[in-house]
Amino acid sequence: DAGITQSPRHKVTETGTPVTLRCHQTENHRYMYWYRQDPGHGLRLIHYSYGVKDTDKGEVSDGYSVSRSKTEDFLLTLESATSSQTSVYFCAIGARDVGQPQHFGDGTRLSIL
Amino acid sequence: TQLLEQSPQFLSIQEGENLTVYCNSSSVFSSLQWYRQEPGEGPVLLVTVVTGGEVKKLKRLTFQFGDARKDSSLHITAAQTGDTGLYLCAGAGNYGQNFVFGPGTRLSVLP
Repeated sequence: DAGITQSPRHKVTETGTPVTLRCHQTENHRYMYWYRQDPGHGLRLIHYSYGVKDTDKGEVSDGYSVSRSKTEDFLLTLESATSSQTSVYFCAIGARDVGQPQHFGDGTRLSIL
Repeated sequence: TQLLEQSPQFLSIQEGENLTVYCNSSSVFSSLQWYRQEPGEGPVLLVTVVTGGEVKKLKRLTFQFGDARKDSSLHITAAQTGDTGLYLCAGAGNYGQNFVFGPGTRLSVLP
C-alpha cells in the first residue's frame, strides 16, 4: 500500500471553530490533492499542490485553505467550519500528470455540529 | 465543465454472474481511470486507459475505452463477493486538466 496517512481519522467539532486536517506521504510524490466525498456528488477536488509552497484551487475551494511546507505534508484548513463542510475528506498523491491522483488515503470523517 | 455519468447507480447480483457497468460523457477525455472503493477506505486505482478503443484486462475485470474517448465500460466475469464495492470512473481533459470523478456504481455481490 502507498504510504499515505491522514489525521485525524474522525473529528466532531462545532460551527465556527477552525479545523486542520493533515496528510502525510512517504512516497516522495510531487502532486498532492484534497478531495471531499458527499452522497450524490462523488469526489470533488478542493485544492491541490504541485510542489512545496505551490498550490492551486479546485472545484470547491471556497472556505478552505491549504499549505505545503514540506514535500511529505499537505494540510487542509477550515478557518471557520460550517455545517455544509460536514463530509469525508480524502488526501491523494500522484507522481505524474497533474490532476490525476494515483493513491488515496483512508479518509477523515468530519462532522460539524 | 466535463461531467461523467455512471450506470447503473446500484447493482446487486449473485456470485458467479457477469456484469457490466458504464461510464459516459459528452466530452472527450485524454485518459480515463477506474477505481474501486470499499467502505471506510479510499479509492484504489484499478486501471488507466488512454487510447480510443483500448481494452485492458485485469484478471476477471475487462476495461474498455470507447473509440471516441467519451465513454468506458468495466466488465466483471464470474463476480465474487470480494468484488463488492463502489466503482468510480474519472477522466482528464485533452491537456490533463479538469480531472473529474463520476458518481459511482455501487456493486453488491451476494453469496
